[in-house]
Amino acid sequence: IAGITQAPTSQILAAGRRMTLRCTQDMRHNAMYWYRQDLGLGLRLIHYSNTAGTTGKGEVPDGYSVSRANTDDFPLTLASAVPSQTSVYFCASSEGGTPGFGYTFGSGTRLTVV
Amino acid sequence: GQNIDQPTEMTATEGAIVQINCTYQTSGFNGLFWYQQHAGEAPTFLSYNVLDGLEEKGRFSSFLSRSKGYSYLLLKELQMKDSASYLCAVTDSNYQLIWGAGTKLIIKP
Repeated sequence: IAGITQAPTSQILAAGRRMTLRCTQDMRHNAMYWYRQDLGLGLRLIHYSNTAGTTGKGEVPDGYSVSRANTDDFPLTLASAVPSQTSVYFCASSEGGTPGFGYTFGSGTRLTVV
Repeated sequence: GQNIDQPTEMTATEGAIVQINCTYQTSGFNGLFWYQQHAGEAPTFLSYNVLDGLEEKGRFSSFLSRSKGYSYLLLKELQMKDSASYLCAVTDSNYQLIWGAGTKLIIKP
């Protein structure tokens, strides 16, 4: 089934630990995104990639890093987790440059930093 | 700054009609999206408006007025499964999506 796969589904992480959230898509979309969603706030963009080999910072990039070695994979790394990074993280992809198609989202990773 | 406003929560009755409003102030405009998000799930695409007017798709319709920075999502013949959050998002001049906080719609029998 075409779409986006995120892993893990949920995680409890000790503060100070390093963690990588995985995201893989099989739609050959050029653009990929990482968002966090917190209660009462809209989806906030962390990092994005318009095409393989390029990445950019979104609205809330501090404490996070990404890489885009190929079209399909877009992992998000928390170098040293802090409690304020407790959130639901969504990976998304789009055709890129054709906004009318919208974004396809993964099922999300629920992360709790304690 | 960029801002999108939607009501936090609305309640409607099964079988009725509900209109969810969205106003926006963004740097440039390249289209407006509505997404549906059920609790604990990912957002899913509902509609896209780039020109003024009404777009109808089954029980759901979306309206846009660019001069007023305003859109609404109209849901007809409400069903219990329509209970969800509805997210308004605008594509700005850099083709980045700016998201509203969402409107939680509660459907009562």
